[in-house]
Amino acid sequence: NAGVTQTPKFQVLKTGQSMTLQCAQDMNHEYMSWYRQDPGMGLRLIHYSVGAGITDQGEVPNGYNVSRSTTEDFPLRLLSAAPSQTSVYFCASSPMGGAYEQYFGPGTRLTVT
Amino acid sequence: GQQLNQSPQSMFIQEGEDVSMNCTSSSIFNTWLWYKQDPGEGPVLLIALYKAGELTSNGRLTAQFGITRKDSFLNISASIPSDVGIYFCAGSNTGNQFYFGTGTSLTVIP
Repeated sequence: NAGVTQTPKFQVLKTGQSMTLQCAQDMNHEYMSWYRQDPGMGLRLIHYSVGAGITDQGEVPNGYNVSRSTTEDFPLRLLSAAPSQTSVYFCASSPMGGAYEQYFGPGTRLTVT
Repeated sequence: GQQLNQSPQSMFIQEGEDVSMNCTSSSIFNTWLWYKQDPGEGPVLLIALYKAGELTSNGRLTAQFGITRKDSFLNISASIPSDVGIYFCAGSNTGNQFYFGTGTSLTVIP
């Protein structure tokens, strides 16, 4: 099992560009989530999904879109990148709700100039 | 959003010493989790707590779910160099939305 994989590992964008951060898991987990981590702050939930076709907003959803067409994949889209979205992004998955053990990916470090 | 305060922000201890850290919230939670994050990696779950007053151990780690449901505590006994990292608490009421603390950075001096 690869666990939770994220691509790319590093990305630099210019303001206004769009991109998709990829996340995949091979553990057949129903719950998947995206967090951002900024210096001096804990992880903040952006969006989450409790199964294919079901997504919901977390604490900081503005500027991000998600969809969940399969159990395995949960991409995060930035439609028009802003410098405030410079952060490290983590994807996580869990067999049931997030109250159970969430397995985190290695993260994507995004810089928006 | 929810505010979880962790203290201390950082700790520098000698190998073999015990460590205590805590996390307080302005809101009540019904689940508390403790994670450890190594540099350049995602957090890894250490302990999960589901009931007020619960005390749970995982090797040298012990965590408690505070009676008020607004706080949680993590203790590490006999610290070793590989305990170095950032420790995060996280709380939830729904099981789907978790709020993370700001982290406690632990340095162990051999």
